[in-house]
Amino acid sequence: GAVVSQHPSRVICKSGTSVKIECRSLDFQATTMFWYRQFPKKSLMLMATSNEGSKATYEQGVEKDKFLINHASLTLSTLTVTSAHPEDSSFYICSARPASGNEQFFGPGTRLTVL
Amino acid sequence: GQNIDQPTEMTATEGAIVQINCTYQTSGFNGLFWYQQHAGEAPTFLSYNVLDGLEEKGRFSSFLSRSKGYSYLLLKELQMKDSASYLCAVSSGGSYIPTFGRGTSLIVHP
Repeated sequence: GAVVSQHPSRVICKSGTSVKIECRSLDFQATTMFWYRQFPKKSLMLMATSNEGSKATYEQGVEKDKFLINHASLTLSTLTVTSAHPEDSSFYICSARPASGNEQFFGPGTRLTVL
Repeated sequence: GQNIDQPTEMTATEGAIVQINCTYQTSGFNGLFWYQQHAGEAPTFLSYNVLDGLEEKGRFSSFLSRSKGYSYLLLKELQMKDSASYLCAVSSGGSYIPTFGRGTSLIVHP
């Protein structure tokens, strides 16, 4: 089956620093990758959609300069949380969609804690 | 936009059957997903309905009525490991990007 990995799985950082999260599709090529964040006991909120080789499309209310997304290849997308603050602490989940089909395959998530 | 509504929490007994409902309002509907999510983990795919009717997959079945904007996930022979959050997600428009509901937390007790 399709496998998506995320790295790191857990990160703790100081306020003001930047954190990069990687999302990789391991056995398929993902033309589209999605980034979500999830607060405890809440549903997934789509942050942005990234297509390989083009700029990401951000959802309303998501700051593109704070959450930098790069989708440089068909198997890798990165999310960089710049100048992190405690309110950015959350569970960040990526998903990837193959060129054919509408199903999304989710990564295991990254728990970010900003002190 | 989309409005997706599902119960916040349900409880059921091991071995029983439970039905989790999801209602939605959207334009340009093109599919409905159900995902299972255990605490602290990413969602895992359960089902995808495009056409009306019931689709069965082992102990899990999913039903869709597009005219009523309604779906349900049916879980049979409940096991303790089925305790999780069940997310209903609806995709619409040309992008096929699903919007997730708040999820239903299912608690299975002995």
